[in-house]
Amino acid sequence: KNQVEQSPQSLIILEGKNCTLQCNYTVSPFSNLRWYKQDTGRGPVSLTIMTFSENTKSNGRYTATLDADTKQSSLHITASQLSDSASYICVVRQDSNYQLIWGAGTKLIIKP
Amino acid sequence: GAGVSQTPSNKVTEKGKYVELRCDPISGHTALYWYRQSLGQGPEFLIYFQGTGAADDSGLPNDRFFAVRPEGSVSTLKIQRTERGDSAVYLCASSLISGSTDTQYFGPGTRLTVL
Repeated sequence: KNQVEQSPQSLIILEGKNCTLQCNYTVSPFSNLRWYKQDTGRGPVSLTIMTFSENTKSNGRYTATLDADTKQSSLHITASQLSDSASYICVVRQDSNYQLIWGAGTKLIIKP
Repeated sequence: GAGVSQTPSNKVTEKGKYVELRCDPISGHTALYWYRQSLGQGPEFLIYFQGTGAADDSGLPNDRFFAVRPEGSVSTLKIQRTERGDSAVYLCASSLISGSTDTQYFGPGTRLTVL
């Protein structure tokens, strides 16, 4: 079954600290993996898109990694800010259709 | 417009009623997607349009759900005989083209509550 699992389910850290969110997937055939940020009451916003051949991709203080062999990805946030408080969702696209398989997200709370 | 817009932002209806949810994609975007998101979950795919036609409607849960995009721009998601289980946030997204690495831009969603 095509699934995307994320951990932890929620995370609280202090402003200025770093954190890493994890994503494991069993989607096949694999096309690409995306990380989205979703603020409460808003639609998701794309952070990164990584294809099979890409191991690392950065977007400002966000760095995503992908290990296509172990089917794992991580999102590392550096020097967290209060505005980073949101849900971070890992999404995998199958190569065979247009559907995106979504994880349940990690709810990140940054405390001052 | 500058982004994807959805109306209404909130909709409260009674069980058994008919509702329509509207999505205005970014101008020029040919691909349009509808998703449903329940509390604490990631979005669930419903239907994808390429232009005016539904290229993939395999995510629609049953025949009470229907969506149209008659002129290849605005789309309407229609739900007949609403049930309490239909309560969720309905998200619309659009992308410039439909390729494997297309970036989907999401609207703020319509929160549907069925009493």
